Amino acid sequence: KAGVTQTPRYLIKTRGQQVTLSCSPISGHRSVSWYQQTPGQGLQFLFEYFSETQRNKGNFPGRFSGRQFSNSRSEMNVSTLELGDSALYLCASSLFDPNTEAFFGQGTRLTVV
Amino acid sequence: GESVGLHLPTLSVQEGDNSIINCAYSNSASDYFIWYKQESGKGPQFIIDIRSNMDKRQGQRVTVLLNKTVKHLSLQIAATQPGDSAVYFCAETRATGNMLTFGGGTRLMVKP
Repeated sequence: KAGVTQTPRYLIKTRGQQVTLSCSPISGHRSVSWYQQTPGQGLQFLFEYFSETQRNKGNFPGRFSGRQFSNSRSEMNVSTLELGDSALYLCASSLFDPNTEAFFGQGTRLTVV
Repeated sequence: GESVGLHLPTLSVQEGDNSIINCAYSNSASDYFIWYKQESGKGPQFIIDIRSNMDKRQGQRVTVLLNKTVKHLSLQIAATQPGDSAVYFCAETRATGNMLTFGGGTRLMVKP
């Protein structure tokens, strides 16, 4: 079966712009989580959606937001981009709750210049 | 591939040897502890998990040990293979919701 699909794979944006990243979870998975990965901070939890509702939120500013659609696909948005937002953004989907086995996509590499 | 971490601690082992990767965790309230493997250019991949009321769990070629007294988690890989070369992350989570808190990661390099 198809894995978690994230688009686009690579993005270059300018400071001050906004960006939207997309994630299609594995079919049947209702939980979608987002993580930011940087060399300095490692893997950090952004937020989790389940059945279109945000259930958990990490310690990120309000510029980071997300949503989930009825088909479980999810998007995350970052507004007013800063250089420090350059990172690999990973999406993970889970079948059960709780589920320690999250299935990750390959990520979207965002570069802010 | 993606640069996962430029300054990760590195464990270098000979092919066929056993590997032990360690992790210190901070949240005593976590219900599950998990190990993930991340290869270059890919997202993390689940390896094995352990509930907080257990101290050992075995999988195929891997064993996870949990010492709650000192808040320590370890991953043992038997007969390490070149395909095991990757960055390994420990993670913890509660029983509700799917929110993983990851450790800093250890890079495992397997020498042929």
